Amino acid sequence: GESVGLHLPTLSVQEGDNSIINCAYSNSASDYFIWYKQESGKGPQFIIDIRSNMDKRQGQRVTVLLNKTVKHLSLQIAATQPGDSAVYFCAEYYGGGADGLTFGKGTHLIIQP
Amino acid sequence: KAGVTQTPRYLIKTRGQQVTLSCSPISGHRSVSWYQQTPGQGLQFLFEYFSETQRNKGNFPGRFSGRQFSNSRSEMNVSTLELGDSALYLCASSLAALNTEAFFGQGTRLTVV
Repeated sequence: GESVGLHLPTLSVQEGDNSIINCAYSNSASDYFIWYKQESGKGPQFIIDIRSNMDKRQGQRVTVLLNKTVKHLSLQIAATQPGDSAVYFCAEYYGGGADGLTFGKGTHLIIQP
Repeated sequence: KAGVTQTPRYLIKTRGQQVTLSCSPISGHRSVSWYQQTPGQGLQFLFEYFSETQRNKGNFPGRFSGRQFSNSRSEMNVSTLELGDSALYLCASSLAALNTEAFFGQGTRLTVV
């Protein structure tokens, strides 16, 4: 079936640098793409979403880019802080389906001091 | 405003037993979705309820069931537990039916022995 995946299981960055977490998706009919952050012992936390008719959306210190040509989604975190350390999941939502949110496997972002 | 509350936080059951997990959504939210999270399969959609009706169901056996009450609180039940049912069960609430901005609880960690 259709699935959403992430390129790297682990990403290590220096504190203060920008982080880029990537995700490849396969369902070109998905309506929304969403990024979640999950800290140890907690449930996923919504970060930002983007509609399929958009290319870019910015939030506070985060930017999501959507490239529908190559079915690629990325999350950019500016000036990475220790509190950004978590597992990041991309998810897709297809309104015409019955699968709820389809999540990728996750990328563990590690912040080096 | 209180977040999504899941009870219990931890549960240990033996094979063959059944279990009921509870989720209280954010006040005013009418949609509740359930997800199973395991290291091997990641986050997988179980089902979604809106206004006491199941809208969508994921690819799980009939042993997994749920319901939603008139106050939007939801329960999920797993009968005839198997070792493979050990997982973190997450509940997410949103204002509308499968709004992409879903708020997750901390989950119930179920261990089947």
